[in-house]
Amino acid sequence: DARVTQTPRHKVTEMGQEVTMRCQPILGHNTVFWYRQTMMQGLELLAYFRNRAPLDDSGMPKDRFSAEMPDATLATLKIQPSEPRDSAVYFCASGPEGQATYNEQFFGPGTRLTVL
Amino acid sequence: DAKTTQPPSMDCAEGRAANLPCNHSTISGNEYVYWYRQIHSQGPQYIIHGLKNNETNEMASLIITEDRKSSTLILPHATLRDTAVYYCIVRVNNDMRFGAGTRLTVKP
Repeated sequence: DARVTQTPRHKVTEMGQEVTMRCQPILGHNTVFWYRQTMMQGLELLAYFRNRAPLDDSGMPKDRFSAEMPDATLATLKIQPSEPRDSAVYFCASGPEGQATYNEQFFGPGTRLTVL
Repeated sequence: DAKTTQPPSMDCAEGRAANLPCNHSTISGNEYVYWYRQIHSQGPQYIIHGLKNNETNEMASLIITEDRKSSTLILPHATLRDTAVYYCIVRVNNDMRFGAGTRLTVKP
């Protein structure tokens, strides 16, 4: 049963520390998405990649967040330096590239980040 | 992407059909209607999508009005495990914007 995996599942850190979240998309999927979910803002799209190239990261605070795909099996989201307002659940999703339609996205279990 | 409007919450009796409405009056001709749900503490899960024809799969049915300004997701026989937040999204590209959704509570 193919699934998106994310590590770590939980992370508690102190303000100012660097945080790296990792995602392994489903094998063969060539689009990868990062979302953030908070009670106040709900689910927000931060960035997405197609064939490892960033297509849109307009939802991401550029000064402290960065997203990369070093290879087809790994996507990373890094926050440096972290701030308490970054506390949220971060979801990664992957999907096969659609043609006329944009196919479903498969979500991982999320990384719950707490910045003290 | 077109904005969607959903009721914030709904209840449904176990075993009955759950009908979740969504208004998308500003939808454009090439935008698809997607439904996802999120069970507590899990990532969102795809349910179904459609353009203008009604669609059915093993999870649900999607009814889209002829003018495409609204749609209804139908869970034919709701179970307790269907309790979740249901999101209606209209999209034309990979930029998928989630709203607040409808919190469906299935009661025994």
